[in-house]
Amino acid sequence: EAQVTQNPRYLITVTGKKLTVTCSQNMNHEYMSWYRQDPGLGLRQIYYSMNVEVTDKGDVPEGYKVSRKEKRNFPLILESPSPNQTSLYFCASWPERAGGADEQFFGPGTRLTVL
Amino acid sequence: AQKVTQAQTEISVVEKEDVTLDCVYETRDTTYYLFWYKQPPSGELVFLIRRNSFDEQNEISGRYSWNFQKSTSSFNFTITASQVVDSAVYFCALRGTGANNLFFGTGTRLTVIP
Repeated sequence: EAQVTQNPRYLITVTGKKLTVTCSQNMNHEYMSWYRQDPGLGLRQIYYSMNVEVTDKGDVPEGYKVSRKEKRNFPLILESPSPNQTSLYFCASWPERAGGADEQFFGPGTRLTVL
Repeated sequence: AQKVTQAQTEISVVEKEDVTLDCVYETRDTTYYLFWYKQPPSGELVFLIRRNSFDEQNEISGRYSWNFQKSTSSFNFTITASQVVDSAVYFCALRGTGANNLFFGTGTRLTVIP
């Protein structure tokens, strides 16, 4: 089954404790991205990757890191989480095709609470 | 700059009523793509439809229909004969040509009352 998986689905942590949220896709997509969803703000892009070892900032990258060492994986790293990073996080992937018309496939979401 | 506005924050309807969710967008791109996603209470994002800027034909899929009007920069979504299972948050999104980002609206929470 074609899918994007994220782990963990739920995470409660404390300020300053480094954490990683994993994302994996099995569709051989070139592009991957992380979004955060906050009430009243919709989804906003944090980082994206166009392929292995190619990443770039989205609209709200502060406080986050990413890496793309393998095509299928795109982990999101919070080196020193703070309460304002409490949010619902989505990973997405999509193929590289001319025109950029393709829909993005989303993972199930990770609900993160930083105390 | 890309922007999507969903002015309706919350809508409640009684089952079997029709309901229209509004979406207005802004973009300088001549080629762009519009999307609707559904987020049910379980939290996942479900893709509903994609429309490109050159195709202004309205689309119908069962009880769902979409009205795309470039003249008013709108891409509205209508649910006919609403059902309780339609209760969800609905997001409209915009993507420019070659862009690596989907710009989402703030969403409309639809509650269908039995």
